[in-house]
Order: sequence, then structure tokens, then C-alpha cells
Amino acid sequence: GENVEQHPSTLSVQEGDSAVIKCTYSDSASNYFPWYKQELGKGPQLIIDIRSNVGEKKDQRIAVTLNKTAKHFSLHITETQPEDSAVYFCAAPDYKLSFGAGTTVTVRA
Amino acid sequence: DAEITQSPRHKITETGRQVTLACHQTWNHNNMFWYRQDLGHGLRLIHYSYGVQDTNKGEVSDGYSVSRSNTEDLPLTLESAASSQTSVYFCASSESQPGELFFGEGSRLTVL
Repeated sequence: GENVEQHPSTLSVQEGDSAVIKCTYSDSASNYFPWYKQELGKGPQLIIDIRSNVGEKKDQRIAVTLNKTAKHFSLHITETQPEDSAVYFCAAPDYKLSFGAGTTVTVRA
Repeated sequence: DAEITQSPRHKITETGRQVTLACHQTWNHNNMFWYRQDLGHGLRLIHYSYGVQDTNKGEVSDGYSVSRSNTEDLPLTLESAASSQTSVYFCASSESQPGELFFGEGSRLTVL
């Protein structure tokens, strides 16, 4: 299946700073790239996604950028807040949605 | 509101026993998935289904089976539970593929 590598595995940021998580994938045919957020004790929830016909998508404080040539896409969170503390997963489908290993983000007050 | 529910939320069982985890969704989604989540491995696909009577193996299907007799349900069965199957299991559904996955709250299974 699709090989998805996600970095870093943990990320600690000061409240108000930015956080960036990067994922690389191997299947050049992939054209849908979602990011999920998982809060403690809950299932993952989609926060933003991008399709290969665009290079960037924003939704308030979060954005996703895609570089199809380099086969990587990134999640950007600006002006981080305590409620942004969670585990974030990227995914790159080979029609079955392979997930990255996750990034634990901690926002320090 | 439409939703996806898993049961039980927590279960402790013994090695060798058969265990079934239930998943029920009310969105009428054709696509349903089972994942397991373990530290350091993220979410790994166990089985998936694109419609009634359709089932497919995922990345880590050994020791697991599913059946899809209606649109709403995709039960996951562990034929003979092993300690290596101690994990948190998530069921998900989607309207389109690829598309947004809607996850249940998870079922934590401990095999002693």
C-alpha cells in the first residue's frame, strides 16, 4: 500500500507560535490528502484536506500545502492555542487511506 | 443526527476466545473500514467494505474477519484472540472514496 512518512513524531510549541507537520508519500497517483486531528479518547476527525489540483488550502488558522513534484504535503497551524494540543495524522490514499504514524502536538501556555 | 457507534467501548478477554466488535452507522454510507491504533504505528487498516456482501483485506488482516450483511453494520471478529491483538480499534465510514472518513469513538480491547 501507500507508504506515508510523517515528521516530527512530537512537537512542542509555545502558545501563539506556529506548528508545521510534514508528510511524504510514495504513490504519484495519489490526488487526495487529508489531515485528521485526534483528541484524547476520541476518534480522529478531519480538519482539512486538499486535492492535487491546488497547491494550498486555508481554513482560518490551519492550512495545508501540497508539493506533488516532491511528493510531500504539510499542515500549518498558526497562532496556536491550548485546544490545538492533540495527535495529528496525515493520510495519502491508495484507495484505502494509509495513515502516517501521527504527530503529538503540545501547546505550552 | 447521523452517527457511527462502536460497542463495546472497553473489553477484556482471554487468549483464544472469540471476540466481536460491533460498528453501526446511520449515514447510509457504502464504505466502511476497521483500523487498529497502536503506539508508534498510527492507524493500520484491518478490513474494509464498499457495500453489502463486499469485504476486503487490509494491511493487518490476519486473525480478523468481517461480514457485511447490510449497509449499516460492519462487525469485526477476532476468531481466536491473541495478546498481540490488544489495541484500540476504530471503525469508520465514508460516502465517497477517497473522501472524508467519519470515525467512531473506538473500542479498547485487552487480551490477557
